[in-house]
Amino acid sequence: QSALTQPPSASGSPGQSVTISCTGTSSDVGGYNYVSWYQQHPGKAPKLMIYEVSKRPSGVPDRLSGSKSGNTASLTVSGLQAEDEADYYCRSYTGSNPLYVFGTGTKVTVL
Amino acid sequence: EVQLVESGGGLVQPGGSLRLSCAVSGFTLSRHWMIWVRQAPGKGLEWVANIKQDGSETNYVDSVKGRFTISRDNAKNSLYLQMNSLRVEDTAVYFCAADDLPGASGYWGQGTLVTVSS
Repeated sequence: QSALTQPPSASGSPGQSVTISCTGTSSDVGGYNYVSWYQQHPGKAPKLMIYEVSKRPSGVPDRLSGSKSGNTASLTVSGLQAEDEADYYCRSYTGSNPLYVFGTGTKVTVL
Repeated sequence: EVQLVESGGGLVQPGGSLRLSCAVSGFTLSRHWMIWVRQAPGKGLEWVANIKQDGSETNYVDSVKGRFTISRDNAKNSLYLQMNSLRVEDTAVYFCAADDLPGASGYWGQGTLVTVSS
């Protein structure tokens, strides 16, 4: 089971939107709705931002949204703010081995 | 306040062993699947292992099967990762986390660095 594919980088100016893709297969992203997204600032622990494709945990702003189409999940960050500059990782349940797989990660830069 | 605190990391020679611990507070450990995730220097996240609430089921990524053992002691509010036959490629920050939402880990520790080098 290979890592899910994400673009290495994405960027936008403050107030703009950026969308990050996460491409897997029918055995992971396409087969289950257990796709989650994590934000990680340098030297820090990951933070859960989206679970079950599109749900936001308590405290996560509604500027973040998730979706899925086929084998590709997406995370959109609207109204970019300086604090959104971080690495973002998707994760999907696979039902096999390994049980979960992360994406390759995307570095979001706020210009 | 939810807290997960990893310990036990350090420098070890190839072929050596380490036992990582994760002490949790602020939530009921016995209610959650628990996981270990690692991140090699400058690299992405890798799911390593998980364990069911009562310890009756465990899963591992292929690269650590037969070498690593995940376990838990709910009475002591602790999660463990016994790492044997360590390899240079196991060098990483190891995070413990709790799956508090369906298919997702909402509680994370700050990580502990494991360096495997001669």
